[in-house]
Amino acid sequence: GAVVSQHPSRVICKSGTSVKIECRSLDFQATTMFWYRQFPKQSLMLMATSNEGSKATYEQGVEKDKFLINHASLTLSTLTVTSAHPEDSSFYICSATDPHSNQPQHFGDGTRLSIL
Amino acid sequence: QQQVKQSPQSLIVQKGGISIINCAYENTAFDYFPWYQQFPGKGPALLIAIRPDVSEKKEGRFTISFNKSAKQFSLHIMDSQPGDSATYFCAASMGYGGSQGNLIFGKGTKLSVKP
Repeated sequence: GAVVSQHPSRVICKSGTSVKIECRSLDFQATTMFWYRQFPKQSLMLMATSNEGSKATYEQGVEKDKFLINHASLTLSTLTVTSAHPEDSSFYICSATDPHSNQPQHFGDGTRLSIL
Repeated sequence: QQQVKQSPQSLIVQKGGISIINCAYENTAFDYFPWYQQFPGKGPALLIAIRPDVSEKKEGRFTISFNKSAKQFSLHIMDSQPGDSATYFCAASMGYGGSQGNLIFGKGTKLSVKP
């Protein structure tokens, strides 16, 4: 089945640094990739939707200058958390859409981001 | 406004029992209703899904019951096992595959199956 790989699985960094998270579709070309944020014991909150070669569409309340999304190819999207602060600590999950699949989105295993 | 309401928030079931999680939606344009299973530190994994043209779908121990008129759907886990202990999310969307709209998630149900 379709596999989405997310890297790194866990990252700890100091406040003020920028962190890049990669999301790759391993065996299919993803027309659309999604980025979610999940706080402990809460549901997934959609942050943005990205299509290859075009600007990401951000959900209301999500700072696009804070969370930079690049979808340079049909198999790779990146989320960069710029000038990260402790309140950015969260579980970030990506998903990808395979146009040839009847399953809407295939999810990665998430990235646990901890900002000290 | 929460478009997909999920209950209960948590559920404890004895091994071998039936786990039932309910969801209600508001947007009648939704036409795809998946259930996801999420273990701690992992991304959600599709468990089973249904479209509104059928009232029930069964895959192994997992069954979705769908009531279009009531705008409700539920997940039944038969013969629940400790390995089923996880958080379950219902969701809804319009379209599927490459033309699918965003998934709208419920708030999740933490299921604990006691041995």
